[in-house]
Amino acid sequence: GAGVSQSPSNKVTEKGKDVELRCDPISGHTALYWYRQSLGQGLEFLIYFQGNSAPDKSGLPSDRFSAERTGGSVSTLTIQRTQQEDSAVYLCASSIPQGAENIQYFGAGTRLSVL
Amino acid sequence: RKEVEQDPGPFNVPEGATVAFNCTYSNSASQSFFWYRQDCRKEPKLLMSVYSSGNEDGRFTAQLNRASQYISLLIRDSKLSDSATYLCVVNTRAGGTSYGKLTFGQGTILTVHP
Repeated sequence: GAGVSQSPSNKVTEKGKDVELRCDPISGHTALYWYRQSLGQGLEFLIYFQGNSAPDKSGLPSDRFSAERTGGSVSTLTIQRTQQEDSAVYLCASSIPQGAENIQYFGAGTRLSVL
Repeated sequence: RKEVEQDPGPFNVPEGATVAFNCTYSNSASQSFFWYRQDCRKEPKLLMSVYSSGNEDGRFTAQLNRASQYISLLIRDSKLSDSATYLCVVNTRAGGTSYGKLTFGQGTILTVHP
């Protein structure tokens, strides 16, 4: 079946502009995650949605970052007033958490460049 | 101290070599463990889960030592196609919930050369 889909695959923006990144998870996956990966770095957790529970926003780096997940499916990550340090690959993952198992499947990511 | 720590490498090995990666984690409440593989400019993909009894998948063997909070990955008979970054991943379930949050190590870079 279809995997996690992210759009756009690449985004170039000017400093100070707002951007929206989209993630379409695997059908039936109740959990959705956003991560950020800077060049040569590991994955940095941003936010987590699970069903109808309140999202875990503990990883968002500043109040310029926000995310929504409408209808329990598609999610949008919004970055307001982008800064150059926001340049990174933004990865989305989805999963069906089952007990201790939590295998996440990743999209190909959105490569954001802030000029 | 980072929650998940790995030796970043890089490891440069010839084809056919055996190579081992190590990882330590700090949260003793962590419940499940994985190795993910990430190719250059690609997304991470699950390589294998890691079980307490140790598990093997072809040329790959994963071990978990809960007492020492240590995870390992052994690759035998390395292939050129094994060249990638290997990510140690730990799942920690929040109290009273049925789900957990993955924490990724920085990754270990492996290059297999002819």
